[in-house]
Amino acid sequence: KAGVTQTPRYLIKTRGQQVTLSCSPISGHRSVSWYQQTPGQGLQFLFEYFSETQRNKGNFPGRFSGRQFSNSRSEMNVSTLELGDSALYLCASSPQGVGYGYTFGSGTRLTVV
Amino acid sequence: KQEVTQIPAALSVPEGENLVLNCSFTDSAIYNLQWFRQDPGKGLTSLLLIQSSQREQTSGRLNASLDKSSGRSTLYIAASQPGDSATYLCAAFMVNAGGTSYGKLTFGQGTILTVHP
Repeated sequence: KAGVTQTPRYLIKTRGQQVTLSCSPISGHRSVSWYQQTPGQGLQFLFEYFSETQRNKGNFPGRFSGRQFSNSRSEMNVSTLELGDSALYLCASSPQGVGYGYTFGSGTRLTVV
Repeated sequence: KQEVTQIPAALSVPEGENLVLNCSFTDSAIYNLQWFRQDPGKGLTSLLLIQSSQREQTSGRLNASLDKSSGRSTLYIAASQPGDSATYLCAAFMVNAGGTSYGKLTFGQGTILTVHP
């Protein structure tokens, strides 16, 4: 059974650019959540999608957005990149997002220069 | 607002020792609590999931307990091995006033465990 797949694994971008990260959940899982991990702030929740609808959102600026497709694959987009956006971005999938626990992917390491 | 704290921040033990990692949370209205390990530069690997109605869960050498009334969870690792060296994270899943807080885990800062031969 395939796990949660995140692509790409590594990215280097320049300030002001935008970036799109992809996450394919475990087959049958309909909930996808995104997290940002930095040494200073730890793991912080970005947003959660279920059946193509955003159900929850963390305290991040509007430059951070996401979407989910009909096959449950999800993308997150960061526009106008800042140096502080450098982080490990993790996505997690769950059958329904409540009560079943979460399975995480290996993450995308984003470096903004 | 839920806050999760993990103590100690770092722990170094010789191989073979039994050890306990602690996790405390401020709001007892949790739906479940999940323990993860993270190897450097990697994603999170789920270790144990404890539902709010459960007291403990076991998997191999790992045992996790949950005490909602005191706002605490512990992860017990028996007969530690060098391969157990990693950062261990606990995460609480909340039930908010609206019913649920979809997809949002609140994480502690983690305990960095080093098991030396």
